[in-house]
Amino acid sequence: NTKITQSPRYLILGRANKSLECEQHLGHNAMYWYKQSAEKPPELMFLYNLKQLIRNETVPSRFIPECPDSSKLLLHISAVDPEDSAVYFCASSQEGQGAPGNTLYFGEGSRLIVV
Amino acid sequence: GDSVTQTEGQVALSEEDFLTIHCNYSASGYPTLFWYVQYPGEGPQLLFRASRDKEKGSSRGFEATYDKGTTSFHLRKASVQESDSAVYYCALSDLNNYAQGLTFGLGTRVSVFP
Repeated sequence: NTKITQSPRYLILGRANKSLECEQHLGHNAMYWYKQSAEKPPELMFLYNLKQLIRNETVPSRFIPECPDSSKLLLHISAVDPEDSAVYFCASSQEGQGAPGNTLYFGEGSRLIVV
Repeated sequence: GDSVTQTEGQVALSEEDFLTIHCNYSASGYPTLFWYVQYPGEGPQLLFRASRDKEKGSSRGFEATYDKGTTSFHLRKASVQESDSAVYYCALSDLNNYAQGLTFGLGTRVSVFP
């Protein structure tokens, strides 16, 4: 899937800061960060709709999203914790009248391993 | 809140077997229902969706019919292949709860053996 690109694909960190990047080439107006832990379904972290942020209140404050424009999404992580080890997926969708609501298209993910 | 229940956690089949994965949902509004498939090392991919009662979604030989009466959206395929081995997620989106994004079931791992 080259329509949603994520980088880096793999990341091994100690207690450091890092940013994940995502770019979508689908012309969508909503973008998402999902976290997928081993053997579990993806869980929504953040949603940007027309650049307005909607946050899952259970996400720790060390995760800070940024949406510099409608096609790009960043996830800044400070002082990672072992429980943050997971795959982080970026997704996008087209929202609005006439659009099939919440039909998400996912990137290939960034696998974060915290040591 | 909204929820999706997949009955089968794991399914093991031989090639050409019939596959059924049961999916039931609970939602306050009139949700759109989805089936996603996830292969190892990849993100979930949309198989198909259905938005209204009795609507049938289908793709790649898989199909499911939206049943509002039984609140179900069971996935079926008549003859599986080894390449169908993956994790399958039933999901819903509810415009009344837009901010929660997609609600996924726990997933069903399908293993098809030659």
